[in-house]
Amino acid sequence: SYELTQPLSVSVALGQTARITCGGNNIGSKNVHWYQQKPGQAPVLVIYRDTNRPSGIPERFSGSNSGNTATLTISRAQAGDEADYYCQVWDSSTEVVFGGGTKLTVL
Amino acid sequence: QVQLQQWGAGLLKPSETLSLTCAVYGGSFSGYYWSWIRQPPGKGLEWIGEISHSGRTNYNPSLKSRVTISVDTSKNQISLKLSSVTAADTAVYYCARTIPGSDAFDIWGQGTMVTVSS
Repeated sequence: SYELTQPLSVSVALGQTARITCGGNNIGSKNVHWYQQKPGQAPVLVIYRDTNRPSGIPERFSGSNSGNTATLTISRAQAGDEADYYCQVWDSSTEVVFGGGTKLTVL
Repeated sequence: QVQLQQWGAGLLKPSETLSLTCAVYGGSFSGYYWSWIRQPPGKGLEWIGEISHSGRTNYNPSLKSRVTISVDTSKNQISLKLSSVTAADTAVYYCARTIPGSDAFDIWGQGTMVTVSS
């Protein structure tokens, strides 16, 4: 079965750039989606198909995907960006797969 | 603006069947796939399965033997049944809409906490 690996936690200073990675075998050949989840709330889609932002998501959120790693980049990090972030792909063997999630702390 | 409203029993005993419903308000129901996703307390997300407006289903292989997802197009609703539940099925359950041509979930229900305990 296909697996996605995310760091458990990432810290970023206020106003700096945070990068959250999502590792998977040849993930660059797949479409990667990213979700933000704040405590007690449903996840929110922030990036789909590697680089696309849904309506209402700030331009500070961007994505990239190549080789064995996809990356969610959050520029000019704000306190309100503190959340858990999940990557997700579709794989023929397991259908929808989520990464384990990364807790982003803004210092 | 599309909204998903979900409901169902929140407390079950082991071996019982979990039953949840999700209603779609304010937008088109046809032309989309609709999924169920769950999240155990303090853990990550797990996809359960999906259904199209026409009733075509796909399930997570690890849950397939216990899951049934159905659709009622007259009410713009989808339903989830998970049989023979155990404590491991304790989770927040979400319904979600899939972006056409993609497998990303762009709209989510509010979530329903389901606890399995004797």
